[in-house]
Amino acid sequence: IAGITQAPTSQILAAGRRMTLRCTQDMRHNAMYWYRQDLGLGLRLIHYSNTAGTTGKGEVPDGYSVSRANTDDFPLTLASAVPSQTSVYFCASSEPGQGSNEQFFGPGTRLTVL
Amino acid sequence: GQNIDQPTEMTATEGAIVQINCTYQTSGFNGLFWYQQHAGEAPTFLSYNVLDGLEEKGRFSSFLSRSKGYSYLLLKELQMKDSASYLCAVRDKDYQLIWGAGTKLIIKP
Repeated sequence: IAGITQAPTSQILAAGRRMTLRCTQDMRHNAMYWYRQDLGLGLRLIHYSNTAGTTGKGEVPDGYSVSRANTDDFPLTLASAVPSQTSVYFCASSEPGQGSNEQFFGPGTRLTVL
Repeated sequence: GQNIDQPTEMTATEGAIVQINCTYQTSGFNGLFWYQQHAGEAPTFLSYNVLDGLEEKGRFSSFLSRSKGYSYLLLKELQMKDSASYLCAVRDKDYQLIWGAGTKLIIKP
């Protein structure tokens, strides 16, 4: 089934621990994105990648890192988790650039940092 | 700064029509998107506008006025399953999406 998968579905993490959220897409989209969604706020872009081998910083990149070794995978790493990183994390993919290239979203990862 | 404004919450009756407004101030404009998000689920694409005017897709229509920095999503013949949050997003000069906080739509029988 074509789409985007994320793992884990949810996680409770102790502050200071390292955590990697996984994201895989099989639509061969060049662009991938990581967002966080917090109550009362819009989706905020953490990092993005317009093509394999390149990454860029979004609106809220501090405390997060990403890599894009191939087209399909785009993991997000929290090096040392803090409670303010408690959020729902969505991975998305699209074709970059102009036109109605909508973003397709994964099911999300609900992360709680204690 | 960049800003997308939408009402926080709206209530409507099953079978009726509702209009959800979105105003924006962004660095550049390369299209406006509407997404639907049911509670606990991922956003899903509804519509895209890049030129002024109305785009119709079944029970849903979306309107854009670039000179006014304004869009609306019109939902007709409301059904209970339309209860969801509706997210407005603008693609800016860097081709990144700037998102509004979303409008929670409550449908009453």
